[in-house]
Amino acid sequence: DAGITQSPRHKVTETGTPVTLRCHQTENHRYMYWYRQDPGHGLRLIHYSYGVKDTDKGEVSDGYSVSRSKTEDFLLTLESATSSQTSVYFCAISDRGEAEAFFGQGTRLTVV
Amino acid sequence: DAKTTQPNSMESNEEEPVHLPCNHSTISGTDYIHWYRQLPSQGPEYVIHGLTSNVNNRMASLAIAEDRKSSTLILHRATLRDAAVYYCILRVNTGGFKTIFGAGTRLFVKA
Repeated sequence: DAGITQSPRHKVTETGTPVTLRCHQTENHRYMYWYRQDPGHGLRLIHYSYGVKDTDKGEVSDGYSVSRSKTEDFLLTLESATSSQTSVYFCAISDRGEAEAFFGQGTRLTVV
Repeated sequence: DAKTTQPNSMESNEEEPVHLPCNHSTISGTDYIHWYRQLPSQGPEYVIHGLTSNVNNRMASLAIAEDRKSSTLILHRATLRDAAVYYCILRVNTGGFKTIFGAGTRLFVKA
């Protein structure tokens, strides 16, 4: 299995509080991605990174920010969590842009 | 953005071949076609990918149409463990190779 770890695996938080999810990899892969998965929507890309300090928006980036200060860590921050951000969040990594991506086990976030 | 279209669900008998279709009529010349599958409560798992030519690996085969506007994932002998949601995906070369997922096909395998 690819060395990719998401933390926390489960989190319950209150509306309006900040939340940070962490994706950590030991593969030294260049590309990292954050997705959310909701019933009926499949996986939707939130943000992605193509190198340290190089990030770009995906299709559902509103309300989320990311940071990548070193190769191994990609952080997803919800500045002020809302109930609509209740979801399962997946991190993925890939070595080359066109290559296969490896996914983490997911973080289940509930905003109450 | 380039999108993919897949049937919502398909059914197969165990030990029979399965052909999962995908349409991607807006694909660009540099977009790669990837397939992933997802079991319940797990992250997606890579199956296969290609650009123009057909591809084979230990899990499956990928047949890509000559005009690249469609592709087919072929599972040669379905097993009960192959029951999953299969996603046909385009890796779009925008500098970051962002990956756009469609809704996927839920594959049911009957014993």
